[in-house]
Amino acid sequence: EAGVAQSPRYKIIEKRQSVAFWCNPISGHATLYWYQQILGQGPKLLIQFQNNGVVDDSQLPKDRFSAERLKGVDSTLKIQPAKLEDSAVYLCASSLSPGQPSPLHFGNGTRLTVT
Amino acid sequence: DAKTTQPNSMESNEEEPVHLPCNHSTISGTDYIHWYRQLPSQGPEYVIHGLTSNVNNRMASLAIAEDRKSSTLILHRATLRDAAVYYCILRRAGANSKLTFGKGITLSVRP
Repeated sequence: EAGVAQSPRYKIIEKRQSVAFWCNPISGHATLYWYQQILGQGPKLLIQFQNNGVVDDSQLPKDRFSAERLKGVDSTLKIQPAKLEDSAVYLCASSLSPGQPSPLHFGNGTRLTVT
Repeated sequence: DAKTTQPNSMESNEEEPVHLPCNHSTISGTDYIHWYRQLPSQGPEYVIHGLTSNVNNRMASLAIAEDRKSSTLILHRATLRDAAVYYCILRRAGANSKLTFGKGITLSVRP
C-alpha cells in the first residue's frame, strides 16, 4: 500500500511569513494526525482529526496555526505568521481507526526552517 | 498520562542481539506498551505493541515484566539499518487514545 504522502519535503521562509504543508493519508484511514518535531526531541501532537472533524487540538497554537481536513481525506496545516521557534519537522500520520490498537503510519515530514 | 524512562543511548554490534529497556512504573491496567522507531530523516515507524504477554513479530520481540513496570524490546540480530531512535510509549486503551512521544533511546550499531 502507498504510504502517507507529505509535501513539500523542505521549506525555508522568513519570520512573519506564512507557510502551508500538505498531507495525503493512507487510503481508507479515517484518523489523521499532525505532529511537530523539534530537533533532538520526540514528536509532539498538534492536532488529531477523525474524518473531517477535530478530535484534539489542545496543543495547537491557535493564534498562528490552523489545520483543515475538508473532505475527510487530505489535510493542510498552515502557520501564519511564522516565528523562529516554529523551525521543526512537521509530521503527518494516519491510522485506520482512532484508538488502540490501530498503529500510526507516518510520512517523512516537511522540514521547516524559519530565518 | 503514565510516563516511560529510557536510557539516552545504547551501542551494539552488527549481527548481535540488542535489548532495549524501558521503565514504566506508573503504568495503569489499561495502558498498552508501544514501540516505534525513527530512522534518520524519516518519520517514526511502528515496531510492536503488547499489553501483558510477550509478543513477537517479524521486526522484533517485546518482553513484558510480570508486574508490567518494565519491558524490553529485543532485536534478535542487529543490522546497520536498525540504527535509529527507539521510542517506548504507553497508549491507553479506548477511542482517541493519544500517542505521546518522549525522547527515546538512540541505538548505534557498529559494523
